[in-house]
Amino acid sequence: EPEVTQTPSHQVTQMGQEVILRCVPISNHLYFYWYRQILGQKVEFLVSFYNNEISEKSEIFDDQFSVERPDGSNFTLKIRSTKLEDSAMYFCASKGEDSYNEQFFGPGTRLTVL
Amino acid sequence: AQKITQTQPGMFVQEKEAVTLDCTYDTSDQSYGLFWYKQPSSGEMIFLIYQGSYDEQNATEGRYSLNFQKARKSANLVISASQLGDSAMYFCAMREGENNFNKFYFGSGTKLNVKP
Repeated sequence: EPEVTQTPSHQVTQMGQEVILRCVPISNHLYFYWYRQILGQKVEFLVSFYNNEISEKSEIFDDQFSVERPDGSNFTLKIRSTKLEDSAMYFCASKGEDSYNEQFFGPGTRLTVL
Repeated sequence: AQKITQTQPGMFVQEKEAVTLDCTYDTSDQSYGLFWYKQPSSGEMIFLIYQGSYDEQNATEGRYSLNFQKARKSANLVISASQLGDSAMYFCAMREGENNFNKFYFGSGTKLNVKP
């Protein structure tokens, strides 16, 4: 069964460093999302992406964040200058045109900012 | 106001018993979708069940059913015949509007522990 994959599974970085979180959505999917989950809290929407552009972004998704689909298979989230409060689990999700409605989530990348 | 409210931070259930996890939602849209996801300790998000706002029948998927009460704006998840492997966090989520690619709003989750 096709699945969304994410790398790395865990990333540790120093405050102020740039990080890139990588996702490979399901191959025929067209809609892509990033969500984050701070430890012990709810999952929060960050950004959605369709047709090579951002469809919607939340207040969390400020100028420090960017997304890209560089090569038609990967979907990346970049945080330019990480802050302590960026420590969270980051989930990538994708959805196809003919999906049953659900978004398919990847296993997540746990980002720890020291 | 919270879009999705899950009022049970933690629940215990005896193996083989049924359990209901509560979810209420808040939207002014006529078209919306409601979802339940399971998050085991390993962290991944596993889709369980979907209910559309126009669906007249309650959704069922194996041991999972969704008790959809539109007037009360509730979408409770019922797990029948609980198994030890059901121990996990459970999140209720909603997608508002006609477009089925819109973002999801998640609740704060319910941690279910199934006792042997």
